[in-house]
Amino acid sequence: DAGVIQSPRHEVTEMGQEVTLRCKPISGHNSLFWYRQTMMRGLELLIYFNNNVPIDDSGMPEDRFSAKMPNASFSTLKIQPSEPRDSAVYFCASSLNVGTGGLQPQHFGDGTRLSIL
Amino acid sequence: TQLLEQSPQFLSIQEGENLTVYCNSSSVFSSLQWYRQEPGEGPVLLVTVVTGGEVKKLKRLTFQFGDARKDSSLHITAAQPGDTGLYLCTTPRGKGSQGNLIFGKGTKLSVKP
Repeated sequence: DAGVIQSPRHEVTEMGQEVTLRCKPISGHNSLFWYRQTMMRGLELLIYFNNNVPIDDSGMPEDRFSAKMPNASFSTLKIQPSEPRDSAVYFCASSLNVGTGGLQPQHFGDGTRLSIL
Repeated sequence: TQLLEQSPQFLSIQEGENLTVYCNSSSVFSSLQWYRQEPGEGPVLLVTVVTGGEVKKLKRLTFQFGDARKDSSLHITAAQPGDTGLYLCTTPRGKGSQGNLIFGKGTKLSVKP
């Protein structure tokens, strides 16, 4: 079975440019998560969706970041305009519905390594 | 805000050695998960523990959840190079926040052949 698919795997761009990261969750999973991982701060939750609806976006750093989930099989994380401090590895994960029967396993993609010059 | 402290931060050992890594918090865990992340990949779930005092075994890996549910340990017996990776513990940020997980910064394990 296909896991969580993220694209691109690597992105290098200049500051000020718009960056769009894409994610296809595992079929049948109702919850989708976007994380950012850096050496300094570790793995941090940015936002998560349940049934395509954003539930908690308290981790989104600022208005330059936005996330959408137009349907159950696709989500995007957009940064506009990008800054060098946004350089990190961004992960998407999916799971069965959170809040139903305890802590669910989250299945992670292989991440997008983003470098803003 | 609950913080997770993982120790040690780095660990480099020879194949065949035993090791233990730790995850501690000042607050009680509602439940706890351990993930392993290999270089260039996303984290993969190893185990979920929910009951104080619980012990779970996964082949050479033994997971313990403290009686007071404020600490957990992962013990690896006879480590192999394939165990190399970043070991992360995580717990929900608060009650009713099963989707909002906080992660420790991890223990980076290197097992040399």
